[in-house]
This record gives sequence, C-alpha cells and structure tokens, in this order.
Amino acid sequence: ETQLVESGGGLVQPGGSLRLSCAASGFTFSSYSINWVRQAPGKGLEWVSYISSSSKTIYYADSVKGRFTISRDNAKNSLYLQMSSLRAEDTAVYYCARSETTVTPYYYYYYMDVWGRGTTVTVSS
Amino acid sequence: AIRMTQSPSSLSASTGDRVTITCRASHPISSYLAWYQQKPGKAPKLLIYAASTLQSGVPSRFSGSGSGTEFTLTISRLQSEDFATYYCQQYYNYPPWTFGQGTKVEIK
Repeated sequence: ETQLVESGGGLVQPGGSLRLSCAASGFTFSSYSINWVRQAPGKGLEWVSYISSSSKTIYYADSVKGRFTISRDNAKNSLYLQMSSLRAEDTAVYYCARSETTVTPYYYYYYMDVWGRGTTVTVSS
Repeated sequence: AIRMTQSPSSLSASTGDRVTITCRASHPISSYLAWYQQKPGKAPKLLIYAASTLQSGVPSRFSGSGSGTEFTLTISRLQSEDFATYYCQQYYNYPPWTFGQGTKVEIK
C-alpha cells in the first residue's frame, strides 16, 4: 500500500524549533518529488515546500523562506522539514504529499496524488 | 502568484442532488487543475487532475470540466459520504502551488 506517515509534531514556544519527518512506503520514494502542505485550524490548504526526487530543486513559500529547511534521505525513504524561528501563525497540521508528474515537451507539471494523515504543530507560550 | 477563488464557500444539499462547485483562476492555467476532497480530521484526497481526469478509484458521479480560468466540479447524485470540503488547486505556475479557499458541502 502506498503510504506517507508524518511524525514529529508537538507544542513549541514562539522562536523555537521543530523537525518533522515523513516516512514513505509502498512506492519507489527516490523517484518522486514531495511537498509539505499545511492547514491552520479551521482554514484552507497552504503549500509550504517542495523537494525534487534528487534534492536538486527546492522551493519554499514566502511565508517560511529563511526559517524552514526541507530535505530527504532516499536511502531511508524519508522526508524532513526543519522548522526554526517558529511563530504562532505556523500553528497547523502539516501534511507531506507526493507529487505526480505531467511531462510535456516544454515543462513539467506536478500535482499531489498521495497525502499523509498529517502531524500537528502548535506554536504557543 | 495565481489566485484561486471558489464559489460558493458553502452549500447545503440533500442526498441525490446534483451539486456544482466553481473555481476561477486569476490568470489562465490551461487544464492544470486538480480537485481534492477533505473530510473532517482527514487528509485531502485527490479526486480529479488535469481538470477532468478522474483519479483511479474515484466514483464516476464526480466529474470536472473547464480550461483557462474557469473550472467546475460536479457531483451528479450526492451520496452521504460526499459531505466534505472540496478544494481546487492550480499546478500550472509554480512556485507557489495555490489552492482555492474551499467549498464545504453540508447536509440540508
């Protein structure tokens, strides 16, 4: 079964740090790019970060740029999100989501086809 | 960034009803649009990609249409398990990948 399982969430004080993990199984992890997407309480979905299969290409949302770092270990079938300088507005459920690729002669397009159940991050004093 | 706007934000419907949700993009996105379903406390689930292609395993009562800037998700005959929040997402111009604000489908 294709599966993503997040872990590492918890309660952290403003200005603190936290490292999230996402464990993949049931597919060839090293062949897929992966995203982090978050959802604040009662709010919609917000894309946070993307990493390509080889880690060569990385993107961040402006709201987390300079504070969050995405990484992966293909040997361990794992994805990570190192979060620092956390703010109250970072409080959310964090999902990892696999990217499926549409290849055209001009560009690559990625949508999110498999999602984990999420891990909750609460930033509060 | 491309802004995605869904309408309505919520709707009430009965089992068996036909339901249509609209998603508009602030700039043309060809057919690079996905629809997701999310139930309370659960992860989003991919329903449709490329504006109209049904993801494997998704019931045929779900359908999508549109291109450019205007898109629709239709549920032909609403079932009890379809009461959820639905999100559209563009994947044409990235980063960032952007979502609509969601449409909550509630029981009338």
